[in-house]
Amino acid sequence: AQSVTQLDSHVSVSEGTPVLLRCNYSSSYSPSLFWYVQHPNKGLQLLLKYTSAATLVKGINGFEAEFKKSETSFHLTKPSAHMSDAAEYFCVVTKPSGTYKYIFGTGTRLKVLA
Amino acid sequence: EAGVVQSPRYKIIEKKQPVAFWCNPISGHNTLYWYLQNLGQGPELLIRYENEEAVDDSQLPKDRFSAERLKGVDSTLKIQPAELGDSAVYLCASSLGTSSETQYFGPGTRLLVL
Repeated sequence: AQSVTQLDSHVSVSEGTPVLLRCNYSSSYSPSLFWYVQHPNKGLQLLLKYTSAATLVKGINGFEAEFKKSETSFHLTKPSAHMSDAAEYFCVVTKPSGTYKYIFGTGTRLKVLA
Repeated sequence: EAGVVQSPRYKIIEKKQPVAFWCNPISGHNTLYWYLQNLGQGPELLIRYENEEAVDDSQLPKDRFSAERLKGVDSTLKIQPAELGDSAVYLCASSLGTSSETQYFGPGTRLLVL
């Protein structure tokens, strides 16, 4: 069985400071992992994905995530937050092949303070 | 390239009324998904289509929910009759097929049942 846990339901940072959104996963397979962002009244947009290639994955808008198998983690980071980063972020785990059932975390709402 | 299109964006109905949501996936995407997203939670899969075939509908409440994708392109999700607890966002997503993992999401339909 697979599951994903987003450790913080809300994160607040000041503009220009680093962002860290935490995600831990559980999987009996070598997983594929994704981060999606959802702005208010918008659909989910893919930020980045890990599919067993490089463990450090770079995504859009300056975000990156590192796959750490020993810690079963896939934390999302950004060096400097921008006001436009304020949104809901979802970590997703799935199998690397076969049927693609996404298992979503409960989400982390990021607030960026001016 | 146009993204996943959903309509309507918002719908308010009274309980026991029927409601239908429409989704047009990205051109060429054979796989289509319907998700339910309750407030403060991650999306949960309702049904997945491979072309016109529903290959995973285990989470679809079949007593009141139905879906179709007759020509393997656009899809309709219906609720009849709607209940208060159906108030949520209904998301549609699509992907190229079984060899592609990334799902692309539409903006969703926000349903309010009074």
